[in-house]
Amino acid sequence: QQQVKQSPQSLIVQKGGISIINCAYENTAFDYFPWYQQFPGKGPALLIAIRPDVSEKKEGRFTISFNKSAKQFSLHIMDSQPGDSATYFCAASKGSARQLTFGSGTQLTVLP
Amino acid sequence: DAGVIQSPRHEVTEMGQEVTLRCKPISGHNSLFWYRQTMMRGLELLIYFNNNVPIDDSGMPEDRFSAKMPNASFSTLKIQPSEPRDSAVYFCASSLAGVGFGGYTFGSGTRLTVV
Repeated sequence: QQQVKQSPQSLIVQKGGISIINCAYENTAFDYFPWYQQFPGKGPALLIAIRPDVSEKKEGRFTISFNKSAKQFSLHIMDSQPGDSATYFCAASKGSARQLTFGSGTQLTVLP
Repeated sequence: DAGVIQSPRHEVTEMGQEVTLRCKPISGHNSLFWYRQTMMRGLELLIYFNNNVPIDDSGMPEDRFSAKMPNASFSTLKIQPSEPRDSAVYFCASSLAGVGFGGYTFGSGTRLTVV
């Protein structure tokens, strides 16, 4: 019940296209859903996050869509750029301890 | 703020040797996490501390692994004796648990190679 399932494992998109990464969770107590971006040789960095009281959050070219009833959330990268090529992790947390449960990661490649 | 600082960045050691990884969290953060990342297993939580107290160490793979947080600005992860299967990138992350929670800040990691 603590798992967060992420798909796809890898994704190749042409420059200018839309990248979509999906995550699903089981634990309805989760109340914070961040996405992390990791470049080779670096640690994951917080990209964008959402709480379940809204269905969508947009920051620049990055949007989180959240479906509470389906227990799913997704990351959309509009106008994808080669510089977006990285590994993306979804995560979820609950409670005051705020221990994050991470998805397995998606390796995104944006072709020039 | 300099962010979460980990040292060393790279460590190559022989099997059976003791390895100590170090972490300085962001000032003011009250939670600290140690993760291990491999291609096969992804990001694995090893242990986390809240207010310098270990809360959950269920992810520590074996008794060969130990972690300490003697004060709010320093933590260590020790492997003794090290084995080739311990080769991985080890990340430290810190956060402010509670109302002000805004996710984790990760360090740049320590790439450990045990030969």
